Order: sequence, then C-alpha cells, then structure tokens
Amino acid sequence: GIQVEQSPPDLILQEGANSTLRCNFSDSVNNLQWFHQNPWGQLINLFYIPSGTKQNGRLSATTVATERYSLLYISSSQTTDSGVYFCAVEIIGSQGNLIFGKGTKLSVKP
Amino acid sequence: EAGVVQSPRYKIIEKKQPVAFWCNPISGHNTLYWYRQNLGQGPELLIRYENEEAVDDSQLPKDRFSAERLKGVDSTLKIQPAELGDSAVYLCASSLEAGAVYEQYFGPGTRLTVT
Repeated sequence: GIQVEQSPPDLILQEGANSTLRCNFSDSVNNLQWFHQNPWGQLINLFYIPSGTKQNGRLSATTVATERYSLLYISSSQTTDSGVYFCAVEIIGSQGNLIFGKGTKLSVKP
Repeated sequence: EAGVVQSPRYKIIEKKQPVAFWCNPISGHNTLYWYRQNLGQGPELLIRYENEEAVDDSQLPKDRFSAERLKGVDSTLKIQPAELGDSAVYLCASSLEAGAVYEQYFGPGTRLTVT
C-alpha cells in the first residue's frame, strides 16, 4: 500500500523560529491534508492541498504532486504551535479514505 | 456551526466487557468515518459510511467490532468483548462530498483504556 513518511519525527524550536516539515508519499494521490493535533488530542484542519501553495497566517503549505511531496512552513513559531503535525493523503479511488503519516512532534520553547 | 461531537471523552473498562462510542457529525455531512489512533501513531481508518451505508469496512475487525449509522446521521461504534490491545483513541470524522472533494473534520475522540 501507499507509504506516507514525515520528517523530522521530532523538532524542538525556540519561540520565534521558523521551521519546515516534510511529507513524502509513495504513490499518486487525489488529495492531501495537513492537521495539527494539539496536546488535548484534537485534530485541527490546517490545509486541504492536493497541489499548489496555500497560506493561512503564519502557516503555509506547498504540495508538488508530480514529485510526491508536501511541505508545511511555520513562521515565527509560538508555544501554542506545539503538538503533532500530521500529513494525510487520499488514495486515488478511495473516495475520501485518508492514510496518515506518523507525524512530526513539535515543541516550541518560550 | 458545531463541529463533530463524540461521547464519552474517556472510558475505562475491564477486558471482556462491551463498550460503545457515539458520534454526531457536522450537520449536512453525508460521509462519516471512524478511525483508531494508537499511541505515537497516526489515525487508521476502521470504517466509512456514505449516508447510512457502510461503503468501506475492510479494516474493521468484525469478530469484535460493529458499527451502525441507522438514519444516516449519528453513528455508534461498539466493541464486544474488549481486549487489552483495543486501548487507543477512537476518532470520528465527517466530510461533505462536493465535487469529489472529501475534506475531513475530526471530533475530539474517545480515549479507551482496557484494564
């Protein structure tokens, strides 16, 4: 089946720093979503981004579908950005079934 | 607009006991998903509903797990009997199919501990 690999697995930042999280996937996909799982376990939608670039405040994401990767950029990180960031891909023909990566655990220190 | 609602938030049971989780999706969302998330892992799909029909239950352990979505709105996931390995967070998600776009929104989950 399709493989979804996220890197790095863990990341520690000082508040105010910038970071880039990567998601590689092994096969063509219909769509890709980025989520933030906060310390209370809630999965929060960040981006629905099958291709191209989107920005939302301090966050932006780019998906290059032809090269099978996506990047999530966090600028001027804040302690509230801490948590686990998941990339999830929708397999072609699955009509919505998401395959998640193992996530990147981000800790932002004050 | 209310998000996906799940209850209970936490459940502790002894092995071999039954347990049930409830989910109410976002109003108007016709597609509902149940996922299981083990510690340190991403969620894994158990079952997907399109309205009241289970269209993909290939990952559901049918010997002990069952699910229903009788009126195409809220849904219940049941485990009977529970095993120690069932300890996990059970997540419900919903989406509105719009031109083959299935952006999923997740509930807060139910954390199950089997002792």
